[in-house]
Amino acid sequence: AQTVTQSQPEMSVQEAETVTLSCTYDTSESDYYLFWYKQPPSRQMILVIRQEAYKQQNATENRFSVNFQKAAKSFSLKISDSQLGDAAMYFCAYRSVATASKLTFGTGTRLQVTL
Amino acid sequence: DADVTQTPRNRITKTGKRIMLECSQTKGHDRMYWYRQDPGLGLRLIYYSFDVKDINKGEISDGYSVSRQAQAKFSLSLESAIPNQTALYFCATSSTVNSNQPQHFGDGTRLSIL
Repeated sequence: AQTVTQSQPEMSVQEAETVTLSCTYDTSESDYYLFWYKQPPSRQMILVIRQEAYKQQNATENRFSVNFQKAAKSFSLKISDSQLGDAAMYFCAYRSVATASKLTFGTGTRLQVTL
Repeated sequence: DADVTQTPRNRITKTGKRIMLECSQTKGHDRMYWYRQDPGLGLRLIYYSFDVKDINKGEISDGYSVSRQAQAKFSLSLESAIPNQTALYFCATSSTVNSNQPQHFGDGTRLSIL
């Protein structure tokens, strides 16, 4: 079974600075997707970024980028030029291509953004 | 209007009551999921359905049941609610045809069992 680990329960960053959230996962599969979801206080689950395992190039979405290290099974999220609206819970998630079914989530990292 | 709608948004009830959480979607997706979120545990899968006649247990299905009334509707029931089922519940959808696309989530139902 796949597992996803987020070892940082809480992180803090100053506005306009850069922060990196860590995620590691364990799987025996070679083909899968990885996701970062943001959950603000409104509790919506908002997709931030996704990465296909077969792609070597790291995904980017505006101020958000990932560092995907397949051999190390690591998938960190970098937020550049942090804004107050980035304050939220961030979840890393894994999905198998073969089953294309459930998402396996990490336990989340709560990000605070300070002035 | 939201693509994935969950009702109710919040619910407080008593131990032993039967509760139904409802989910409907307008995305035309064939796959639907129920997750539960607890503090410090992330989201965990309760049940999922790949079509109206296909229901599968997730990792924490005990104490829950589901019904897929139509492709667009997937309800979650707690037959006899207990306090440790207090949690935030999410419904999600995805498409078999576009299986590389992410799941879409509803806004969640916060359930409190006293």
